[in-house]
Amino acid sequence: ETGVTQTPRHLVMGMTNKKSLKCEQHLGHNAMYWYKQSAKKPLELMFVYSLEERVENNSVPSRFSPECPNSSHLFLHLHTLQPEDSALYLCASSQSAPPLSNGYTFGSGTRLTVV
Amino acid sequence: AQKVTQAQTEISVVEKEDVTLDCVYETRDTTYYLFWYKQPPSGELVFLIRRNSFDEQNEISGRYSWNFQKSTSSFNFTITASQVVDSAVYFCALNTGGFKTIFGAGTRLFVKA
Repeated sequence: ETGVTQTPRHLVMGMTNKKSLKCEQHLGHNAMYWYKQSAKKPLELMFVYSLEERVENNSVPSRFSPECPNSSHLFLHLHTLQPEDSALYLCASSQSAPPLSNGYTFGSGTRLTVV
Repeated sequence: AQKVTQAQTEISVVEKEDVTLDCVYETRDTTYYLFWYKQPPSGELVFLIRRNSFDEQNEISGRYSWNFQKSTSSFNFTITASQVVDSAVYFCALNTGGFKTIFGAGTRLFVKA
């Protein structure tokens, strides 16, 4: 079992759909993150949760809505997305925020395609 | 401003060759942390190493070694005797103590058998 599990692995959605990405970690980490990885762009930090509280919201459009119900789970709710939102969405966790000791543990990502 | 530059977009080597991936960083902070991550085709980034700005010792871990030089703001990564399993995208990253880690654009390494 990998440290950080993301579901689904692939998602195709229309611009009017609502969907959610799920992330789960059982590493006992206290911080969780959403990153966006687009083609030809560096990884972009979207959201940071530390001890279930959002501590960073990196100017992300409101069509992306995160939720952290407990320290093991993180969701990214999606609605009325645009084609340019197509990307690999990576979830990560760390012992604490910021991740200065042992870095992040990443999931395998959700490959999102908006049509 | 903080920045991480990985000038090599793609590198292709033949198995058993040594290869060095370059990373140059910019920051005005005196305390900072540098990282390398590996992203294989499966997608997840795998943490390889962390270095803080007060520790310039080079590090070796098996076939991997890292050369940190503050004088040139570089944190280069060398793979000795490369193997096909080393094929991946490698990211260098910088954190100055805040919540945001700055990643470089990545270097895609192809190791041919």
